[in-house]
Amino acid sequence: ETGVTQTPRHLVMGMTNKKSLKCEQHLGHNAMYWYKQSAKKPLELMFVYSLEERVENNSVPSRFSPECPNSSHLFLHLHTLQPEDSALYLCASSPSIGLVHREQFFGPGTRLTVL
Amino acid sequence: DQQVKQNSPSLSVQEGRISILNCDYTNSMFDYFLWYKKYPAEGPTFLISISSIKDKNEDGRFTVFLNKSAKHLSLHIVPSQPGDSAVYFCAASPRGDSNYQLIWGAGTKLIIKP
Repeated sequence: ETGVTQTPRHLVMGMTNKKSLKCEQHLGHNAMYWYKQSAKKPLELMFVYSLEERVENNSVPSRFSPECPNSSHLFLHLHTLQPEDSALYLCASSPSIGLVHREQFFGPGTRLTVL
Repeated sequence: DQQVKQNSPSLSVQEGRISILNCDYTNSMFDYFLWYKKYPAEGPTFLISISSIKDKNEDGRFTVFLNKSAKHLSLHIVPSQPGDSAVYFCAASPRGDSNYQLIWGAGTKLIIKP
């Protein structure tokens, strides 16, 4: 148990569906992250939030829409996805950004399949 | 172009022996490095880190070595145990305003043989 939870753990959706991924951290951290991990590829940073403000948006297509209502919760809203968006989506948190120690703590991920 | 490379997709080691996992990087702006371990169906778990002001950091059975001139780091696990079988990721973070960014390698799958 890392203190970061993600729901759902598995999601299958059609290209016309709208769904949302949820992440919650119980660590009292101020920064939260969304990553994408495709098969055999490195983790790719998608979005970063610090104190509920977005600080990074790594050229992610607009069909992915993040939301951070407070420092404990992070959502990723999905709509009109493509089959190549099938991947493991990981949420992480860290105490803050700009620190000397930069460890991030990960949730278990959501395995997304787009049909 | 991958800035962090783990050139060995997999490594098999006998239980009780030393496991050495390698990682190379290209960006001289990186000043903080981390190793993570990942089991199937779980997220990555932080193992150990090292700042570029050091060349070695040790935590129990895990030691990370950093060779800045070669832009190379390695993770040593000794002695290796069956529970160490997992995928190991190397990550690097740049100095400056974007130091929250972690740039990841593709991972090395470590298999510990009994």
